[in-house]
Amino acid sequence: DAKTTQPTSMDCAEGRAANLPCNHSTISGNEYVYWYRQIHSQGPQYIIHGLKNNETNEMASLIITEDRKSSTLILPHATLRDTAVYYCIVRVGGGGATNKLIFGTGTLLAVQP
Amino acid sequence: NAGVMQNPRHLVRRRGQEARLRCSPMKGHSHVYWYRQLPEEGLKFMVYLQKENIIDESGMPKERFSAEFPKEGPSILRIQQVVRGDSAAYFCASSPPGVNTEAFFGQGTRLTVV
Repeated sequence: DAKTTQPTSMDCAEGRAANLPCNHSTISGNEYVYWYRQIHSQGPQYIIHGLKNNETNEMASLIITEDRKSSTLILPHATLRDTAVYYCIVRVGGGGATNKLIFGTGTLLAVQP
Repeated sequence: NAGVMQNPRHLVRRRGQEARLRCSPMKGHSHVYWYRQLPEEGLKFMVYLQKENIIDESGMPKERFSAEFPKEGPSILRIQQVVRGDSAAYFCASSPPGVNTEAFFGQGTRLTVV
């Protein structure tokens, strides 16, 4: 699986959009971009994933650049409960054997009141 | 549909004892993954199992650690003769069969070796 690079930490004001970047310049054509978060040592929580098109769900939006070398996770209206470590992971699409996740160090997002 | 259930949530063992961690996957999920998170570190993949089969154990320590996922019942991560360095949070995740699926995590078991 391709390696990802994320900033160590970011701050965001409550109610504002949080934009979390991720670089994955060595991503292969069949690799998906996944985002998980971990709130205060709880189990990681799935957020969103995509291949090449932008994706949106009830939690967030995922913007993937046209060359797929980077992406941005957007939390449209951050709340204090969104304070967590956010992990960007790329992995080959497909269930079973490829659901193994390689976690990096992630970005600690601190939402400020 | 209940989420991934792990128990116990907290486990204290003395050095040399055995630790058994249990994971019940979500309904309909036949794939289970175990991860370990040492204090102040990231999550590390340990093992991937399907029913009655170990598919990938590349992250498992070579000694004292074993995992199983029997036909009936939960997946078990077993640590024999625990040492202080085994103190960590152990997370289980499950996913359904099929393509492009996501894994869902349990709340973890926090093992403390005293």
